Amino acid sequence: IVLTQFPGTLSLSPGERATLSCRTSQSVSSSYLAWYQQKLGQAPRLLIYGTSTRATGIPDRFSGSGSGTDFTLTISRLEPEDFAVYYCQQYDSSPPTYTFGQGTKLEIK
Amino acid sequence: EVQVLESGGGLVQPGGSLRLSCVVSGFPFNNYAMSWVRQAPGKGLEWVSDMGDIGGGTYYADSVKGRFTIFRDNSKNTLYLQMNSLRVEDTAVYYCARVNIFEVSPGFDPWGQGTLVTVSS
Repeated sequence: IVLTQFPGTLSLSPGERATLSCRTSQSVSSSYLAWYQQKLGQAPRLLIYGTSTRATGIPDRFSGSGSGTDFTLTISRLEPEDFAVYYCQQYDSSPPTYTFGQGTKLEIK
Repeated sequence: EVQVLESGGGLVQPGGSLRLSCVVSGFPFNNYAMSWVRQAPGKGLEWVSDMGDIGGGTYYADSVKGRFTIFRDNSKNTLYLQMNSLRVEDTAVYYCARVNIFEVSPGFDPWGQGTLVTVSS
């Protein structure tokens, strides 16, 4: 399964709403779609698992949605610390493997 | 506090070998699957390998199958990645991550800080 994220780069201002997309080449279970944030020079951090559930400590301005082949990460009101690269990830159980999208860079406009 | 700490990276020639280690603390290591993920310079994330908890299997990306081996020593709370027949394209920061299963949904959390492997002559 191939994950395609778009746009590749998103330029927005603090306070604006960000919508990041992840499209899979085949339908995937919504239980198996996650999102990660990676800031420059840091390890990735889990944001969302099971398409829409926020990980511990993740602010409620982050939300996930979608089903089938189309999934979305939304950041309702951008804070300065949200500018980073975001990756979607899917899990395939047969055999157990993981695939990441190529990432969306969210930059300050 | 849950911690994950990788080590073992360095410079190695093409065709050489390297073993990475990942020491964890703050949680029952035996009860969790663990994964390795790598990131080539300036590139995105690539899942490399996964090992289940006690009795769990081992799984690999096609790009490393037959060259890399994942294993764990539960008595030492340590995960390993033995990398043989290294190629220039294996150059990357290698991250270790705990695989959390939230009911049925997996998520990698937390991640270590990564260790850099450079394959070059």
